[in-house]
Amino acid sequence: EAQVTQNPRYLITVTGKKLTVTCSQNMNHEYMSWYRQDPGLGLRQIYYSMNVEVTDKGDVPEGYKVSRKEKRNFPLILESPSPNQTSLYFCASSFRPGYEQYFGPGTRLTVT
Amino acid sequence: DQQVKQNSPSLSVQEGRISILNCDYTNSMFDYFLWYKKYPAEGPTFLISISSIKDKNEDGRFTVFLNKSAKHLSLHIVPSQPGDSAVYFCAASVNYGGSQGNLIFGKGTKLSVKP
Repeated sequence: EAQVTQNPRYLITVTGKKLTVTCSQNMNHEYMSWYRQDPGLGLRQIYYSMNVEVTDKGDVPEGYKVSRKEKRNFPLILESPSPNQTSLYFCASSFRPGYEQYFGPGTRLTVT
Repeated sequence: DQQVKQNSPSLSVQEGRISILNCDYTNSMFDYFLWYKKYPAEGPTFLISISSIKDKNEDGRFTVFLNKSAKHLSLHIVPSQPGDSAVYFCAASVNYGGSQGNLIFGKGTKLSVKP
């Protein structure tokens, strides 16, 4: 089954404790992206990757890091999480950036 | 500056009637438009798209209309069903001439279809 998976689905952590949210796709997509969804703000792009070893900032990259060492995986790293990073996070992938993207189920992160 | 705007945060419709969700954009370079549907606790799922060379695209109960001169698109759902209750996101991108831009999303409209 073609899908994008994210782990964990739910995470509660404390300020400053490094964490990684994993994302994996099995569709051989070149393009992958991370978004956060906040009430009243819709989906905002954090980082994206056009291909292996090629990543770039989206609209809200502050406080986040990504890596793309393999085509299928695109982890999101929060080196020192803060409460303003409490949000719902989605990973997505597609063959090309401007077309239909497939989204993962989401990771709800709470930073206290 | 918001390039894709969904000015109605919510919409309530009776089952069986038409739902019309609206989206406006400011960037005249956008040439591809998409609608996504999102249920609670799930990721957004692609619903329907339209290229700027068309003004209408239909898929079952869902039709998207594009008015380039007004920089406006709309999603029509006919007839509306309770299972259509979800948040709908409009998105747009620039793909002309080989450039491949990212999807720009609106803030979403929450549709409630009442039985």
